[in-house]
Amino acid sequence: DSGVTQTPKHLITATGQRVTLRCSPRSGDLSVYWYQQSLDQGLQFLIQYYNGEERAKGNILERFSAQQFPDLHSELNLSSLELGDSALYFCASSKGGSSYNEQFFGPGTRLTVL
Amino acid sequence: DQQVKQNSPSLSVQEGRISILNCDYTNSMFDYFLWYKKYPAEGPTFLISISSIKDKNEDGRFTVFLNKSAKHLSLHIVPSQPGDSAVYFCAATGSSGGGADGLTFGKGTHLIIQP
Repeated sequence: DSGVTQTPKHLITATGQRVTLRCSPRSGDLSVYWYQQSLDQGLQFLIQYYNGEERAKGNILERFSAQQFPDLHSELNLSSLELGDSALYFCASSKGGSSYNEQFFGPGTRLTVL
Repeated sequence: DQQVKQNSPSLSVQEGRISILNCDYTNSMFDYFLWYKKYPAEGPTFLISISSIKDKNEDGRFTVFLNKSAKHLSLHIVPSQPGDSAVYFCAATGSSGGGADGLTFGKGTHLIIQP
């Protein structure tokens, strides 16, 4: 158990809908990272928040957004969903704001868009 | 454009033998490399890392070798054990964004340890 929790475990929805994925980092960790794992692309970095502020952006679509709250939990919002958004979404946390810090991954949320 | 490549989707090794997993990268700004291990229905877990100022790092049965001129790294597992069966991801990061670029992952190699 990494100490990072993600809810829900599974999510099934329809095209055009909007969903919110939630992540609670390990106690004491200030950074939260979001990654998408799809069959053809592997694990792709989406976005990082550090202590409530956006720190880095990767291959995140404009239809996706995230935020980190004062209690340091984070939410990833996916809107206007398409079939291709079906994937595993992982959250990771680390103590510092640098990607040189060890990242601890949650178990993931499996999103299926029908 | 894949900046981190793991060209072997799967690898089968006999228990007790050496497992060698390979990874190539293209981005010269990468200066820190990591290996993660992933079991089904779990998130990736950190295994071992290496900074670009070194060419080898060892931790128990796991050794990572870095060849900067070839932009190549490898993970050696000796001896291989049944619990090592998992998907192994190579990842990299660099200082271009002040170390805040997230990790760039390869697509993974599924290691199967045969009894």
